[in-house]
Amino acid sequence: GAVVSQHPSWVICKSGTSVKIECRSLDFQATTMFWYRQFPKQSLMLMATSNEGSKATYEQGVEKDKFLINHASLTLSTLTVTSAHPEDSSFYICSASKGLAGGETQYFGPGTRLLVL
Amino acid sequence: EDQVTQSPEALRLQEGESSSLNCSYTVSGLRGLFWYRQDPGKGPEFLFTLYSAGEEKEKERLKATLTKKESFLHITAPKPEDSATYLCAVQGYGGATNKLIFGTGTLLAVQP
Repeated sequence: GAVVSQHPSWVICKSGTSVKIECRSLDFQATTMFWYRQFPKQSLMLMATSNEGSKATYEQGVEKDKFLINHASLTLSTLTVTSAHPEDSSFYICSASKGLAGGETQYFGPGTRLLVL
Repeated sequence: EDQVTQSPEALRLQEGESSSLNCSYTVSGLRGLFWYRQDPGKGPEFLFTLYSAGEEKEKERLKATLTKKESFLHITAPKPEDSATYLCAVQGYGGATNKLIFGTGTLLAVQP
C-alpha cells in the first residue's frame, strides 16, 4: 500500500504558458500533500504543504501566485506553474501522508520533469 | 534550526562489501527520522521510519538504527541493485507538523 502517482511524468512547454501537474494517492486517503522541487544533484526542497479543503502553506521564497496548489480531495492535489520561465525547469515531486499527526511517513510520487523552452 | 548532515557524500563498494551510511541530526524534539532510497530520475522510495533512540528496523540487506544524535543505515553484502542515493530526513517538534528536513544524501555505487 501507500502508492502515489504523478501525471505527467515529463512535460515540455513554451515560456509564458502554464503547466498543471497532478498528484494522486492511489490506495489511501492523503490528509496532507506536499510539493517539492529538486535540482540536479541536490536534495529535495519543500515548496508547499497542503491539507484537503484548505489553502496551501508555502515555504519562504516560494511565490504562491506562480505556483498554484489545489488539494480538492483526499486523493488529489495539483500544482500549476503559471507563466512558466526557463528557470522554472526542474524536477517536481509530490508526497502524501495519511494523517495530520506528527511523525507520519510521507510517500513520494515518481516525479515530473518540467522543461520550459 | 533543525539540520541533517549525511556522510559520506559518495561511497563506492564492491559487491558483498558491507558498510554504513551516517545521518547526523539536530532537532528540537524528534517526531521521526526517515530513510529513503532515490534512483536517478525517480521520486524517493520509503525505506524506514524510526521514532526513538535505540530503535532498529531491517529490510532485506538494510538495517537502520537510531541514537539521540544520529542514525546509521547498515548495508550488508550489498548487490549492484542497491546502487542509489540514500536520503535521510527528520521531522521535529519545532517546525510545522509533518515538515521533513532532508540531508543532501549519500550516493552509493556497488560494483560487481
